[in-house]
Amino acid sequence: DQQVKQNSPSLSVQEGRISILNCDYTNSMFDYFLWYKKYPAEGPTFLISISSIKDKNEDGRFTVFLNKSAKHLSLHIVPSQPGDSAVYFCAASARNSGGSNYKLTFGKGTLLTVNP
Amino acid sequence: GAVVSQHPSWVICKSGTSVKIECRSLDFQATTMFWYRQFPKQSLMLMATSNEGSKATYEQGVEKDKFLINHASLTLSTLTVTSAHPEDSSFYICSARRGVSGAFFGQGTRLTVV
Repeated sequence: DQQVKQNSPSLSVQEGRISILNCDYTNSMFDYFLWYKKYPAEGPTFLISISSIKDKNEDGRFTVFLNKSAKHLSLHIVPSQPGDSAVYFCAASARNSGGSNYKLTFGKGTLLTVNP
Repeated sequence: GAVVSQHPSWVICKSGTSVKIECRSLDFQATTMFWYRQFPKQSLMLMATSNEGSKATYEQGVEKDKFLINHASLTLSTLTVTSAHPEDSSFYICSARRGVSGAFFGQGTRLTVV
């Protein structure tokens, strides 16, 4: 049962344009969401996060939008740069599920290619 | 940001041998570390939660006798793949939780069992 879904395995955009990466989740207990960027043979790098009490969080070129009613979040990158080309993972956590755990449930990732 | 170091970054071993992977939090203490495994074109799958000073908590379907986890200090967790087989070949990634700031990942270890 895939609780975090990234239905687009790949996305290609032109440099300077906007990249929109989508993520859907099914577990209503999730209350914290993160986006990670990953290059081949490297560990994921944290990009941006959002708590369920917010619907938008912005950090430079990266903005994450959360639509709780639709159980959907998206990552916007604008303007896109060739260096943004990587696999982007959406992850979710139920921080208030108790204990000190911080389990992250990941989507399968979306390969973003930004063409010069 | 916080730094988590994972070693080795890649290892090739013979079938039947054991391999130890280290995960260190370099600039913070981590009471909880996590071990993930990633198959090609798949998401990161949580294998186990490593708690300092206590036994690890394994996810369903993960053999605890095969994937031994030791979290001996607040900055070090190790994953030992025992009696490795070719099907254990994968990319293993650790992460460490830093307070409420979130989870920070190591660079991963590519294990190839021949």
